[in-house]
Amino acid sequence: AQSVDQPDAHVTLSEGASLELRCSYSYSAAPYLFWYVQYPGQSLQFLLKYITGDTVVKGTKGFEAEFRKSNSSFNLKKSPAHWSDSAKYFCALDAASSSFSKLVFGQGTSLSVVP
Amino acid sequence: AQTIHQWPVAEIKAVGSPLSLGCTIKGKSSPNLYWYWQATGGTLQQLFYSITVGQVESVVQLNLSASRPKDDQFILSTEKLLLSHSGFYLCAWSLHRGNSDYTFGSGTRLLVI
Repeated sequence: AQSVDQPDAHVTLSEGASLELRCSYSYSAAPYLFWYVQYPGQSLQFLLKYITGDTVVKGTKGFEAEFRKSNSSFNLKKSPAHWSDSAKYFCALDAASSSFSKLVFGQGTSLSVVP
Repeated sequence: AQTIHQWPVAEIKAVGSPLSLGCTIKGKSSPNLYWYWQATGGTLQQLFYSITVGQVESVVQLNLSASRPKDDQFILSTEKLLLSHSGFYLCAWSLHRGNSDYTFGSGTRLLVI
């Protein structure tokens, strides 16, 4: 079965620090992985995705993520963090097949960047 | 440019009352369409998906149903709401299965009382 785990429910850090949000996945096939951000009361915004190729992918808002097949991880990074980065971040796995289409989300990590 | 529109923006409904939420995608032919549900403070769970008009697949059973009456329209409904139906409903589209971006609508916030 496919699953995504975001082990940190809440992360708090100071503005200017480096942020890294953890994501691990379980999937038997080659994964398509995504990061989305959700600001309070809003919908999801796409940040970046990994399909194949370079293991470090760059996205919007200055974020990047590193895919590591060895430990099934896809961690989101940004440096420096800004107070406007405070939001909830979701890692997702596209568990599509020829007969099924499903985006599986992790539990989400709420990020607070304090001045 | 593609646009995705969800309606209504928010609803407050009584337990046992019917519900109909809608989603329209413009500017894209034959998109894959999805309904997601998010409990307050929770993660997102896929409810339904559709790859073509008239065909809808259920992913989880939550006493909800979905229909795709037109290529660009996706409807989520139930005849009797439960308290557990409260949450945030998101419609999304993608170009095809796998290796494709998913674009989410602005969502409908539902409170069942």
